[in-house]
This record gives sequence, structure tokens and C-alpha cells, in this order.
Amino acid sequence: LAKTTQPISMDSYEGQEVNITCSHNNIATNDYITWYQQFPSQGPRFIIQGYKTKVTNEVASLFIPADRKSSTLSLPRVSLSDTAVYYCLVEGDGNAGNMLTFGGGTRLMVKP
Amino acid sequence: NAGVMQNPRHLVRRRGQEARLRCSPMKGHSHVYWYRQLPEEGLKFMVYLQKENIIDESGMPKERFSAEFPKEGPSILRIQQVVRGDSAAYFCASSPRVNEKLFFGSGTQLSVL
Repeated sequence: LAKTTQPISMDSYEGQEVNITCSHNNIATNDYITWYQQFPSQGPRFIIQGYKTKVTNEVASLFIPADRKSSTLSLPRVSLSDTAVYYCLVEGDGNAGNMLTFGGGTRLMVKP
Repeated sequence: NAGVMQNPRHLVRRRGQEARLRCSPMKGHSHVYWYRQLPEEGLKFMVYLQKENIIDESGMPKERFSAEFPKEGPSILRIQQVVRGDSAAYFCASSPRVNEKLFFGSGTQLSVL
């Protein structure tokens, strides 16, 4: 299983852009990179998924360099409601039992 | 299309009792995953099921814990003879096919007194 490493916590202010980087040095050829967001007392929610280069949706952008050993989740102009834990996952056919492994995530605190 | 439904939302049990947690996946989803989360920690995989089959239970304790996903009805996570260390939030997720994004329920908070 590809293990992921991300910062434990980050602080930001409203209106700023936030970039959270995740390392996944052992990513396999068939693996995708997926990010989830979790608010307190709620289940995680899918944010974005990518394989290489750049993916953008209405919520975030995901940047993946050519070697795919890391990825960066970019949240434009964060607001207080973006305060949450963000999980980076690597998933693909190589995952035993097709399970998804969540690490500790990055706790983002957005301040006014 | 309702999301993943988990019930109860909160469950209180005394040591030695049984806990039954239910999960109804989204319509059309045949893959169900159970996770456990302790306070301030990430989600720990427990078990992955498809209809009537356990695909991977490598994250589930060998004793006292069992899971099923019958042909009809919700998936059930059953914990027998609960202990205080079982107190946690238990999340269920579903997906329509393997390796597709997961949709999570709101979880069941189990408290063992």
C-alpha cells in the first residue's frame, strides 16, 4: 500500500489561498490520488481526484508533478467554513482488498 | 437519491452488551466499507463488503467484531461484549464500483459506559 505523509496542521486566514502537500513516494502506476474533507462529527466528503498534472473543479485544484511522488491540494480564497481535516489517499488496483487507507490528515484552521 | 444512512446516530452501551450498527448504502451501490475513528485521529479501515460477501476484513479485530451485508437490507456491524476501548465513531461508506470515490454516512458514535 502506498503510504501518504502530510502536515499535521496548518493555519490560514480568510481570503488566502491554501496549499496542502502530500507525499506518496511509493505510489504505483495504477494508483489515483484522492482528497477528502472531514468536518467534526461528520463523515469524510470527496473533494477531488487526479492521476497526473492538474485537475480543477468548483471546490479545489490538485497539482501532481510528473514523478507523481507528491501532490498538492489548492483551496482558493478559503473561508471560515473550510476549517476541517483534509485527507490525502492513494488508491488503485494495488490496494489489498481495494481498501482505502486514511492517514492522520491535515487539520486546517482558517482564522478571521 | 438519499445519501448513506447510518443508524443510530448515537449508541450507548454498558460493558458486556452488544452493539449493532446499521448502514444503508446509497441506491445502486453494492460496495460497503466500515471505518473506525478515535477522537483526534484518522479513520482506520475495518472491513470491506459486497452484497453477501466479505471481501476484506483485515482491519477488523478477530474477536467480538463481525460484519454482514445481506442480499436485502442494510449492512450490519456487530460488536459483542463491548468494552470501553470500543468507544469511537464508526463510519460507513459506499461506492457503486471498486476504486470509485466513497460516499460516507454521518457515522454512529458508540459510547461504552
